[in-house]
Amino acid sequence: DAGVIQSPRHEVTEMGQEVTLRCKPISGHNSLFWYRQTMMRGLELLIYFNNNVPIDDSGMPEDRFSAKMPNASFSTLKIQPSEPRDSAVYFCASNNGGRQETQYFGPGTRLLVL
Amino acid sequence: KNEVEQSPQNLTAQEGEFITINCSYSVGISALHWLQQHPGGGIVSLFMLSSGKKKHGRLIATINIQEKHSSLHITASHPRDSAVYICAARSADGLTFGKGTHLIIQP
Repeated sequence: DAGVIQSPRHEVTEMGQEVTLRCKPISGHNSLFWYRQTMMRGLELLIYFNNNVPIDDSGMPEDRFSAKMPNASFSTLKIQPSEPRDSAVYFCASNNGGRQETQYFGPGTRLLVL
Repeated sequence: KNEVEQSPQNLTAQEGEFITINCSYSVGISALHWLQQHPGGGIVSLFMLSSGKKKHGRLIATINIQEKHSSLHITASHPRDSAVYICAARSADGLTFGKGTHLIIQP
């Protein structure tokens, strides 16, 4: 299996622009997670989907962030408008069974908002 | 349409040398960014300039708005300065990136 696939791997944009991050989970996995990692705050769970349905979005920072999972093989995390403090590495992970089970992480998207 | 040109494309120098990387652009801009990308791929913002000069440690960035030109200088260069340096200019077209200068500092 190819593992969790994320795109783009790097994104540099200017504040105010819309940013869309993409994730393809491992085939057959029913849970998908979006995380953000910064030096200051470490790894934070943003949102968690199970069977394409958002189960817990309490980690989403504010209304500028939105996530969708239109089908079992694709999810997006959108930031609109982006701000410099959104600069971070955004990871997607997937598994079968939710938060208590081992999660398989993608390579991450490094986002820099100027 | 803004065109951003960097020179040189590649630069190899000895440790301790004074390094200059140039960036020129074709339209009026409101700001210019200098970015550093290390071999691992991570990108770091070094400076944002709209006029004059900024200094951070051994790095100095200058901009001449009239001449549509900016320079990034590295004093007392060190092998850890080896990276790709990219300038990005903000205009009415949005953010336009140069192709980058690949710098190698040899010990």
